[in-house]
Amino acid sequence: GEDVEQSLFLSVREGDSSVINCTYTDSSSTYLYWYKQEPGAGLQLLTYIFSNMDMKQDQRLTVLLNKKDKHLSLRIADTQTGDSAIYFCAEREGGNQGGKLIFGQGTELSVKP
Amino acid sequence: EAQVTQNPRYLITVTGKKLTVTCSQNMNHEYMSWYRQDPGLGLRQIYYSMNVEVTDKGDVPEGYKVSRKEKRNFPLILESPSPNQTSLYFCASSPQAYRGTQYFGPGTRLLVL
Repeated sequence: GEDVEQSLFLSVREGDSSVINCTYTDSSSTYLYWYKQEPGAGLQLLTYIFSNMDMKQDQRLTVLLNKKDKHLSLRIADTQTGDSAIYFCAEREGGNQGGKLIFGQGTELSVKP
Repeated sequence: EAQVTQNPRYLITVTGKKLTVTCSQNMNHEYMSWYRQDPGLGLRQIYYSMNVEVTDKGDVPEGYKVSRKEKRNFPLILESPSPNQTSLYFCASSPQAYRGTQYFGPGTRLLVL
């Protein structure tokens, strides 16, 4: 089946940039997502990108998509302690009509003061 | 307030005793979905629904049932729970499967003894 892979942990210093990486396998994915989960909470959609885009920027967040390598990254500029959370990458399987979402294992971001 | 609600939030039960976790959204969303979250495995989709009376299997549907008789409700049914269904469950909804913000419920922590 389709798969999404992420590294499990990332530690950065406050003020640095964080880059969280993700690889996926479904070449027909049209939408890719980044979610944030704070301790004890549900998931919050941070951003999503269409597969015909290379980059999307939203304030401190930059998403880069390399469709050839099936690689997605999330860059957080000027990382703050409030950014400490688990970040999930997800792809929507099956092209435009698909409803199935596949999540990566999540990357736990730890921001040290 | 736009929200997804789940009940109960915490549940301890015994093997084989049927249970239902309710999910309700007040945003008139077409798409609803159930996930389970387990350490090291991220979120895995159990079932999803593109609209009323339309449901489909996700990644891990075994041992679960769902129904979508009304747009706002999407209950998750465990006919005969087993200890391997001990997990944290999230319900989510979005206007359509591929578009925009997916709202998550607060989660239901289930322990099956």
